[in-house]
This record gives sequence, C-alpha cells and structure tokens, in this order.
Amino acid sequence: QVQLVESGGGVVQPGRSLRLSCAASGFTFSDYPMNWVRQAPGKGLEWVAVISFDGNNDYYADSVKGRFIISRDNSKNALYLQMNSLGADDTAVYYCARGGLMATIMIHFDYWGQGTLVTVSS
Amino acid sequence: DIVLTQSPDSLAVSLGERATINCKSSQSVLYSVNNANYLAWYQQKPGQSPKLLIYWASTRASGVPDRFSGSGSGTDFTLTISSLQAEDVAVYYCQRYYHTPPLTFGGGTKVEIK
Repeated sequence: QVQLVESGGGVVQPGRSLRLSCAASGFTFSDYPMNWVRQAPGKGLEWVAVISFDGNNDYYADSVKGRFIISRDNSKNALYLQMNSLGADDTAVYYCARGGLMATIMIHFDYWGQGTLVTVSS
Repeated sequence: DIVLTQSPDSLAVSLGERATINCKSSQSVLYSVNNANYLAWYQQKPGQSPKLLIYWASTRASGVPDRFSGSGSGTDFTLTISSLQAEDVAVYYCQRYYHTPPLTFGGGTKVEIK
C-alpha cells in the first residue's frame, strides 16, 4: 500500500534553515508528481510546492518562493523540502502528498503523509 | 490571485440529515477542451491527515462512501453528505488544480453533529 512518511521537523530559530524528507513506498515513486502542503496550528491547508515526476519542473507558493526548494531523489524514493530564512509564519505541520495522476503536475492529491511539525521560535 | 471561498465556515447537522458545503472560485476551473472541472474535495478528521474525497468535481475517490457527492461546474461547487454519520465530523476543504499554480485550497468548513 502507498505510504508517505515525513521526517526532519523540529524547533528552529528564526532565520535558520531546515530540511524535511518524505520517504515513499508502495508505488513507483518516479511516475508521480509530489507536493508539500502545510497547516499552521489551528488553521487551514496551504499548498507549498510541487515537483514533477522527473524532477525537471517545480512550482512554489508566493509565500515561500525564493526561500524553499523542493527536490526529489527517484533512486531513493525520497522527496525533500529545503527551507531557508525561516520565520514564525512558517510554523506548521508539513505534509507530503502524492499527485493523483502519473506525470501530471497540476493534479489533486490522492495520498498524504502523517505530517511533521516545524516550529520556528527563538 | 485565485481565491476559493467556502461557505458556511461551520455547520451543525443532525445524524442522518443532509449536510451541504459550498465552494466558489474567483475564476472558472472548467477546461473547455476536455469539459473537466479541476476541483477536488478533502476531509480532515481531528488529529488526522487530509483524505481525498472527490476529484474532477464529482468523481468519488476509491473507498469513499456513496453518501458523499460532489456537483457544480465553472466557479460554483457543492459537496453534499446525504445522511450524516458520526464519523463524518471533520473539516472539509475544496481545492483547485487548474493547469497553473498555485494549487489553492478553500478556507475549510467544519462539520459537527447537532
């Protein structure tokens, strides 16, 4: 069965960096686009970034553009989110989510991980 | 920016009764070439990750009970729970995925038992 397991969250000081990972299993990872979505405490869902199945294309929300980088290693079935210049507004649970159609970057999300909490605080 | 506006923000429905949630997009999500509406609905139960309920505005995801249905086209969409069950208590989100970013979510609608 499809499994997505995020890791790398924690407490980080403002202005610092953090790298999240998402380990995928149960499907052919290299066939699907992948996303990061975040949810601030008590708030709604915010899409963060998407990367194409082959890693050649990526898109970002305006709120993270220029600070966050999404990447993937298809040989390791792994998705990453490099987060730089973190601020309090980046405090959230970060989910990785699979795109619901092979090779289609703009698509609904059919599987989600359990999330990893990032807290930006001094 | 494209905005998805959900209404109401919350609603309380008796067990077995109908729940209706609306989602209005500031721009059409209907692609005329394939006549598809690029809109999805998700359910997030307390303490859990979101789960896909509906995609292409009206297609139920695998394993989703048939009491959940989606309708609408263009800019106006509805998620209906025909007979509310206790396990349906959750926050429901709509999402557009029309061709270009961002993949915007609505603000969410909280469904509770009356």
